[in-house]
Formats: sequence, C-alpha cells, structure tokens
Amino acid sequence: NAGVMQNPRHLVRRRGQEARLRCSPMKGHSHVYWYRQLPEEGLKFMVYLQKENIIDESGMPKERFSAEFPKEGPSILRIQQVVRGDSAAYFCASSRGTTSGKGYEQYFGPGTRLTVT
Amino acid sequence: GEDVEQSLFLSVREGDSSVINCTYTDSSSTYLYWYKQEPGAGLQLLTYIFSNMDMKQDQRLTVLLNKKDKHLSLRIADTQTGDSAIYFCAESLYNFNKFYFGSGTKLNVKP
Repeated sequence: NAGVMQNPRHLVRRRGQEARLRCSPMKGHSHVYWYRQLPEEGLKFMVYLQKENIIDESGMPKERFSAEFPKEGPSILRIQQVVRGDSAAYFCASSRGTTSGKGYEQYFGPGTRLTVT
Repeated sequence: GEDVEQSLFLSVREGDSSVINCTYTDSSSTYLYWYKQEPGAGLQLLTYIFSNMDMKQDQRLTVLLNKKDKHLSLRIADTQTGDSAIYFCAESLYNFNKFYFGSGTKLNVKP
C-alpha cells in the first residue's frame, strides 16, 4: 500500500509565477490536509478537504492560495504570484475520516519544498 | 490558536534514554501525537495517546501524559544513532480536522 504521494518534491519558482503542488492520499483515505513548514518551525495547518469539498480553510492565507480535491485525481494546492515568503516545505496528510474510527491518524507525504527566487 | 511548546534541542549518548517534553494549552485535546522527521523527509507517525490515558508503551517508546499539567513526554529507551531526527508533538481537538504542532525538538545521538 503506497503512502501519501506528493509531487514535485522540489519546486523552484520566480517571484510572480504560479506554483502547483499535488498530493495523492493513501489508498482508502478520503480526507486530505495541507500544512506549511517554514524553516526551523513546526507545521502549520492550512486547509482540510474531502472529495469536492473544502471543510476547513481557516489556515489558508486570504489571497493567492487555493486548494481543491476533485472527484478524480490528486488534491492540488495552488499558489498564485508567489513571493519569497512563500518559500517553505508544504506537506500533505491524509486520513480515513472520523466516521471510520481511525480519523485520528494522519499520515504525511514527503513534502514539496518550494523555493521562490 | 492553540500553543504547543517543545524545547529545541536534546543531546544524548548512544544507549542512554532520551526524554522529549511537550506542553500544550488546549484542555479539549482529544489525541496527542509524536512524529519523527528525518532530514529532507516527511513526518513519520511514531505513536499517539488518547487524552484519557496516562501512559502508552510501544517497544522502546513510552508516552506519558499529565493532563492536569498539560504535559506530554516521549521516552526513547536505548537511544540509537538512527534515532537522530526532529521530533514533533502534536495535538488534535475533538473533530480531528487539524493538528497543532510544536516547533520540534532536534535529537542528536552521539556515538
């Protein structure tokens, strides 16, 4: 059973460009979470999605950031017009969801390290 | 927001026990977790404890929870050089929607 997959692992963008980060959850998981880790810091929650629904986006910056989890395909975190302060590691996690009784286990992907030059 | 605090560094000798500490502020925490992050990698779930438990043991790992003091610890017995990593404590609230992470404790194991 493959774990949570993220790609690309490393992404370099110039200021003003768009960054697209992809996350494929573990098999059987229908809930996806995105976190951001700034250098020397812990992870900060950004958004929680289920298929075709954003459940909680309280950690998302109000502008330039968006996330989706379509019916088919991976979850996408999109950052428009990137700035240097967006440089960070972005981690995706997945879980089965709370009704399964195992919703308390979140499994993390290897992360995408975004560098904005 | 919820605050989860950890000390930044811990250095131990191989074979000794390591104790990594964490404090949190939200008394409605449901589960508390320990994750391990090796350089350039994602987070690996090590263990977790439900908030109505005091202790959980899993091989070399022992988790202690003092709910009154909102203090969580992870003890690693017989620490090995392969245990060198950053250890994050995290808490989730009743709805598990999001986890709140500490800033991580960097464990250095000296041979």
